[in-house]
Formats: sequence, C-alpha cells, structure tokens
Amino acid sequence: AQSVSQHNHHVILSEAASLELGCNYSYGGTVNLFWYVQYPGQHLQLLLKYFSGDPLVKGIKGFEAEFIKSKFSFNLRKPSVQWSDTAEYFCAVKSNQAGTALIFGKGTTLSVSS
Amino acid sequence: EAQVTQNPRYLITVTGKKLTVTCSQNMNHEYMSWYRQDPGLGLRQIYYSMNVEVTDKGDVPEGYKVSRKEKRNFPLILESPSPNQTSLYFCASRNYLGDTQYFGPGTRLTVL
Repeated sequence: AQSVSQHNHHVILSEAASLELGCNYSYGGTVNLFWYVQYPGQHLQLLLKYFSGDPLVKGIKGFEAEFIKSKFSFNLRKPSVQWSDTAEYFCAVKSNQAGTALIFGKGTTLSVSS
Repeated sequence: EAQVTQNPRYLITVTGKKLTVTCSQNMNHEYMSWYRQDPGLGLRQIYYSMNVEVTDKGDVPEGYKVSRKEKRNFPLILESPSPNQTSLYFCASRNYLGDTQYFGPGTRLTVL
C-alpha cells in the first residue's frame, strides 16, 4: 500500500529564512506527486505537482520541489519565507494509473515570525 | 468559476441525529471523494466515487455513507453521528486522469 511520510510536524522560522520540508513516499510504481497548502481557516490549494519530466518543479508563490526517484522523496523548498507563508503543508502521492486515490501525509505546520 | 461547494460550513449536532453534508462540483469531474482532517492525522479518505453510481470505501469509512446519483453531487451521510466523528470534512473532485484535485471549503462538524 502507498504511504506518505512528512518528517517535520511543526517548523518555526523567521522571515527571510530558507525552508525545506521533507516528504518521502512508499510505492513501487510510477507516481504523481503534489504539495498542497492550507492557510488558516481555508481549504487546501495546490502549490505544485510533478507528473514527469524535469524533476525540479516550480510552483506558485516562489515554492519549488525536487523529485528524487532513488530516494522516493519530493521535498518542498523556498529560499526566503514570508510571514504570509504561515500555513499547513501537505505532501500527497497517487499512482499514475487513472482512478486511484490520492494519499496524503499528516501535514507540516509552518509558523513564520516577522 | 470552477469550484467545489459544501453545505453546511459549520454544524453542531447531537449523538444519533442523522445528518447530510452536501457536496457539488461544476467541473464535470468523474472522481469525487470525502476526507476528514484531524490534528496530527492529516487528511484521511472516507469514501470516493469514480463515477455515477460507483462508490467505494476509503481508509476510514465506518459510520459514513455516500451516494452518487448525479455526476455533480456527492453527499456524505452520517446515519447516527457519534462524538468521534467531530472533525473537519472536505469534499474534493478531479477528472478521472487525476490531474489536479480541487477541494471544497470544508465543513466543521461537532457532535455532542
């Protein structure tokens, strides 16, 4: 069965610090990978996704993620965080076969102080 | 505007009183699903549907029912709610190929 592991439950940073959130998955086949963000009181929104091609994916708001197949990882990065990045971040994985479920990690709460 | 809507957004009820949370999408998506979000547990899938009249259990289906009589609607039914179903519920939809999943605004349910 597929599973997703996010290593950090809560990350606290100051503005302008660099961010890296870890995500590892377990699945033997070809996967599609996603990062979602949930701002306080809001629903989940897609930050970025990887299906194929360049393993370095750029998303909205200056976020990027790198797919490393050999490590089963899809870490999220941002060079310089802002207070408005305070949110919960979810990594998600699905098989590339149509109709399969999207499996979420448990989430990482990011708190950015100004 | 492409969207997933849920109603109600907030609900407080008592144990045993049947309730339904509606979900509707306007993107003609085949695939719809329900998740619950609990602190420290992330999002867990309750039920999903790959098309009209096709539904299946997710990871935590106990105590819930769903139906998919029309493509756009996917209501979540709690026949006899219990306090352990107090949670934040999200409906989501995507096309069958699974490009991007769109989420509704969430329904915060409290069962006393």
